[in-house]
Amino acid sequence: GNSVTQMEGPVTLSEEAFLTINCTYTATGYPSLFWYVQYPGEGLQLLLKATKADDKGSNKGFEATYRKETTSFHLEKGSVQVSDSAVYFCALSDQSGGGADGLTFGKGTHLIIQP
Amino acid sequence: DVKVTQSSRYLVKRTGEKVFLECVQDMDHENMFWYRQDPGLGLRLIYFSYDVKMKEKGDIPEGYSVSREKKERFSLILESASTNQTSMYLCASSSPGTSGSYEQFFGPGTRLTVL
Repeated sequence: GNSVTQMEGPVTLSEEAFLTINCTYTATGYPSLFWYVQYPGEGLQLLLKATKADDKGSNKGFEATYRKETTSFHLEKGSVQVSDSAVYFCALSDQSGGGADGLTFGKGTHLIIQP
Repeated sequence: DVKVTQSSRYLVKRTGEKVFLECVQDMDHENMFWYRQDPGLGLRLIYFSYDVKMKEKGDIPEGYSVSREKKERFSLILESASTNQTSMYLCASSSPGTSGSYEQFFGPGTRLTVL
């Protein structure tokens, strides 16, 4: 079956530091890959996505590249801010089922940015 | 602005009560989902639906049922609430979209406490 593995944290960084959150996956088909962000007390919001190999998703200074050869989709940001403190989820959509059976999520990485 | 709304942000119920959690989306999406989120366990899929009156079990359906009488509304039912169902419940909806990626849109969540 499908699975997503990511570091759980918490990951604590100082403001303006470089961020990497690793995400690797296993899937039988050709999945789409996502990063979602959850701010305290809220639901999940889509941060970025990539639908095929070598695609780069980007949003709000965050980037991730779909690497089929290493089955990875690592999230990066060059200079984090306190407002980036949140839980980040890596996820995949296996379209072989028509997408109706949901996403497979990692367990989430809690990111804490200190001023 | 597209939206997924959930009937309550916070809910407190007693053991043995029947509990209804309601979810409504305004995006005309075919697919709807119910997850629960617990610390250290990430998101786990309870039930999903790919059409009106259709439902499929997810990874942890025991103790839950669902209802989808209209395309925009997906209800989660706890037939007899128990303390181990204390959790954050998240509703989501999806459709193929222009990229066929089936990204999901989430509601704000309902934090349920069962006493």
